[in-house]
Amino acid sequence: SQKIEQNSEALNIQEGKTATLTCNYTNYSPAYLQWYRQDPGRGPVFLLLIRENEKEKRKERLKVTFDTTLKQSLFHITASQPADSATYLCALENFGNEKLTFGTGTRLTIIP
Amino acid sequence: ETGVTQTPRHLVMGMTNKKSLKCEQHLGHNAMYWYKQSAKKPLELMFVYNFKEQTENNSVPSRFSPECPNSSHLFLHLHTLQPEDSALYLCASSPQGGGSSYEQYFGPGTRLTVT
Repeated sequence: SQKIEQNSEALNIQEGKTATLTCNYTNYSPAYLQWYRQDPGRGPVFLLLIRENEKEKRKERLKVTFDTTLKQSLFHITASQPADSATYLCALENFGNEKLTFGTGTRLTIIP
Repeated sequence: ETGVTQTPRHLVMGMTNKKSLKCEQHLGHNAMYWYKQSAKKPLELMFVYNFKEQTENNSVPSRFSPECPNSSHLFLHLHTLQPEDSALYLCASSPQGGGSSYEQYFGPGTRLTVT
């Protein structure tokens, strides 16, 4: 069966360190993979999209990698700040399916 | 703000009531989506409209009825709901349908409680 798993339900990181979140998938052949941020009581906000032929994508303090051999994406936040505390969701689509499927998310807390 | 608004933000309804959720996007997008988000579960896609045509109904019970009168507006009509339908209902839009090739812009959601 198809699965999208995000490493842990919750992750605590010291301020200033790099936070690394993992998204593993099974029985998908995604053309793209997306990462979103969701704050409590609000809708997800798009952060980054990476294509299956791209190894890495960066945006300010954010970096995403995509390894189709390992079937894994890593999401990094460098120089983390308490304001980065939120739930982070990965989402992907099978080739030709045209439906975006989300993982359960990782709740990240940056400790001052 | 993301350019996607949802009303009401909170709704409490009995199992015999009929109510509607409204979504409006001001981004000029052609695709709109309804998602359900329950605690400890991933977002579940319910319906997709692309250029006002429904292109996806993800096995949603008929007590949920979507309506898309134009590319900017999306409704979710609710009737005879069950307590397990209590959740956060999120509307989203994207430039057009096509799954993950386009980012989606989400509204703030409607927190629905069925009593």
